[in-house]
Amino acid sequence: GAGVSQSPRYKVAKRGQDVALRCDPISGHVSLFWYQQALGQGPEFLTYFQNEAQLDKSGLPSDRFFAERPEGSVSTLKIQRTQKEDSAVYLCASSLGGGQGETQYFGPGTRLLVL
Amino acid sequence: GQQLNQSPQSMFIQEGEDVSMNCTSSSIFNTWLWYKQDPGEGPVLLIALYKAGELTSNGRLTAQFGITRKDSFLNISASIPSDVGIYFCAGQFGTGANNLFFGTGTRLTVIP
Repeated sequence: GAGVSQSPRYKVAKRGQDVALRCDPISGHVSLFWYQQALGQGPEFLTYFQNEAQLDKSGLPSDRFFAERPEGSVSTLKIQRTQKEDSAVYLCASSLGGGQGETQYFGPGTRLLVL
Repeated sequence: GQQLNQSPQSMFIQEGEDVSMNCTSSSIFNTWLWYKQDPGEGPVLLIALYKAGELTSNGRLTAQFGITRKDSFLNISASIPSDVGIYFCAGQFGTGANNLFFGTGTRLTVIP
């Protein structure tokens, strides 16, 4: 596709449920990032992939958060046993090579609400 | 995490006015970027700055990379209604993951 796509766009989960959020990056983009954006705040880095390798997961808030990109293209962010504080917009971004200053193209995000 | 403080938090301006917003950080960044986010969408890159002191324009937008590498400003001239949105600064260290550290955002409202 022309841009980064994410699905679902909206997700409502009951506390304790597991959720899976999908990101389709721009075709051919090597680098993929996940960010979390709380209401009224700027996005915060969660994790980074270069192809299928997860090179940085320092931003994942707990071991309930897990991300994968098994074939170096589509990525899934999984949150286990969701808590209310997980409610946020989850943004995916991709860039061609991942070098400094390379444009990161963002998807529209998945809005997660945990009740 | 890194703290990037943006000011003002929000602005209400008349169409045609100029706008100025800035961003300060406790950390030195190698790259400064400015993004705009519309409701229900992801951030879109407006301007990227790569050298201390650099002044760059993109249409009605002008941004500068501060000499200390700890700050940046964005100016919008002759605002129009479609400038409405949230503007974020972002810093990048240029090492490791090259992830972005975002500011707190400036919400701009343009009154026609």
